[in-house]
Amino acid sequence: DAGVIQSPRHEVTEMGQEVTLRCKPISGHNSLFWYRQTMMRGLELLIYFNNNVPIDDSGMPEDRFSAKMPNASFSTLKIQPSEPRDSAVYFCASSSLKREWFFGPGTRLTVL
Amino acid sequence: AQSVTQPDIHITVSEGASLELRCNYSYGATPYLFWYVQSPGQGLQLLLKYFSGDTLVQGIKGFEAEFKRSQSSFNLRKPSVHWSDAAEYFCAVVPNDYKLSFGAGTTVTVRA
Repeated sequence: DAGVIQSPRHEVTEMGQEVTLRCKPISGHNSLFWYRQTMMRGLELLIYFNNNVPIDDSGMPEDRFSAKMPNASFSTLKIQPSEPRDSAVYFCASSSLKREWFFGPGTRLTVL
Repeated sequence: AQSVTQPDIHITVSEGASLELRCNYSYGATPYLFWYVQSPGQGLQLLLKYFSGDTLVQGIKGFEAEFKRSQSSFNLRKPSVHWSDAAEYFCAVVPNDYKLSFGAGTTVTVRA
């Protein structure tokens, strides 16, 4: 198994631009999570999907952030418009009923 | 408030010496407990987990952790550290739903 796949690995963009981060969970996993990691706030859960349905998006910072999971093998996290304070490492994780969370390598986002 | 606490922000240990990283949680019931390791620029790798049963759990890379209900703790240990153990270590809990919540992390530096 290739594990959780995230793309791109690095993204540099200018303030105001739209950013789309992508995630492919491990096949067979029914839950998907988006986390953000910053020095100031550590690892924060942004949103959680179960069986492709958003269950908890209370961690999404504001309306500029949106996430979708159109099918069991793909999810996107979109920031529009992006701001410098959105610079962080964004992790996608998936889990099964075994309750083991597997994390992708992350996307390092820099907003100039 | 429910939380995961890692009291030590940074620990320096000599190669070959023992290591113990502390983790405390404050939840009403015993949550699922995890330790993850993050090497610089990398994603998070699961070291070990505790759900129930034997309170001393063995993980990968020679790590072990002990759950102590009376102290609400789940400390991570390694008898003899290697230079490759230099990384950031995160304690995480799933209290009673599927949200994996992380502590602030402990950075481990290994000196020769």
